Amino acid sequence: DAGITQSPRHKVTETGTPVTLRCHQTENHRYMYWYRQDPGHGLRLIHYSYGVKDTDKGEVSDGYSVSRSKTEDFLLTLESATSSQTSVYFCAINSGVSSRDTQYFGPGTRLTVL
Amino acid sequence: AQKVTQAQTEISVVEKEDVTLDCVYETRDTTYYLFWYKQPPSGELVFLIRRNSFDEQNEISGRYSWNFQKSTSSFNFTITASQVVDSAVYFCALREETSGSRLTFGEGTQLTVNP
Repeated sequence: DAGITQSPRHKVTETGTPVTLRCHQTENHRYMYWYRQDPGHGLRLIHYSYGVKDTDKGEVSDGYSVSRSKTEDFLLTLESATSSQTSVYFCAINSGVSSRDTQYFGPGTRLTVL
Repeated sequence: AQKVTQAQTEISVVEKEDVTLDCVYETRDTTYYLFWYKQPPSGELVFLIRRNSFDEQNEISGRYSWNFQKSTSSFNFTITASQVVDSAVYFCALREETSGSRLTFGEGTQLTVNP
């Protein structure tokens, strides 16, 4: 158990509304990540953070923004949700202080955009 | 660019059969890391193993074993004497040394073990 929680766990929203997903960790990990999982694509990296206020884009970052104002929380925001953003979102942390270490995942958030 | 291919989309076996899940990767780095994760029907992602590119020893953990072959860029996963509880989606993933934190996942293999 890597001490990762995600909220909400399920959300249904309408196209055009803003949505924020929260990832919370209790073990002071430096690296945090947001992925989305879609059938036929596995998991794809959206954004990641390597410290407070330090973030970078992943391979599918368009339409998403992130913020990390404190070590334990990493927020993913969809400024104006679209149906193509219907997905399962996973947060992950790195087990050590290096980017080489193993990533462990939170329980996931299922988002449906109508 | 890094890439992971899991050519088997779905595999169905009968309990107690052995099953091998294939993973082929592409990378230009000499240092990289390979992973396997399990996603049971409940949806969480469970870490199974990590292998460094400079360590080609195969590994066995109970009924699970992994065969890493750099010559064929493969990192295959074998479950011996499969059980119904092994039913899950299994993902292979790759991280290159030069890509920092980025994990690239394969599309996953759905394994169904029937009683």
